Amino acid sequence: EAQVTQNPRYLITVTGKKLTVTCSQNMNHEYMSWYRQDPGLGLRQIYYSMNVEVTDKGDVPEGYKVSRKEKRNFPLILESPSPNQTSLYFCASSPSLGEINEQFFGPGTRLTVL
Amino acid sequence: AQSVSQHNHHVILSEAASLELGCNYSYGGTVNLFWYVQYPGQHLQLLLKYFSGDPLVKGIKGFEAEFIKSKFSFNLRKPSVQWSDTAEYFCAVSQSYNTDKLIFGTGTRLQVFP
Repeated sequence: EAQVTQNPRYLITVTGKKLTVTCSQNMNHEYMSWYRQDPGLGLRQIYYSMNVEVTDKGDVPEGYKVSRKEKRNFPLILESPSPNQTSLYFCASSPSLGEINEQFFGPGTRLTVL
Repeated sequence: AQSVSQHNHHVILSEAASLELGCNYSYGGTVNLFWYVQYPGQHLQLLLKYFSGDPLVKGIKGFEAEFIKSKFSFNLRKPSVQWSDTAEYFCAVSQSYNTDKLIFGTGTRLQVFP
């Protein structure tokens, strides 16, 4: 089944404790992206990647890091989480740049930073 | 900067009522337009999309949207809603030269009562 998976789905952590949220897609998509969803603000893009080893900042990149060593995986790293990063996070992927494609979303990761 | 406005933040309807959710964007060039739906506890799913051609687009579950270029609008409609349409609806826009950069609106929460 074609899908985007995220792990963990729920995470409660404390300020300053490094964490990684994994994202994997099995559709051979080149483009992957991370969003955070907050009430009243909709979805805001954190980082995106157009291909392996190619990443760029989205609209709200502060406090986050990403890497794209393999085409299928795009982990989101919070080196020192803070309470303002409590949010619902979605990973998404889509096929090649230059084509008009919808983005496919993962199930979301609800993160709480105490 | 490109932006998307959804002026209806929360809409409450009874079953069988008609629905229209507003979406306006700010960008003068050629755009691609999307409506995504997020059912409670689930990830975003594509309802419909417009790239070119007929400005009246039909999507899944009886939804449709009309692109009015002169008004920079892409309103979502359904003639008769059901309880199962209770969800959050997001309008999104991408520029034709940068199709993977999606800008989301803040979302409209729809509640349908039996």
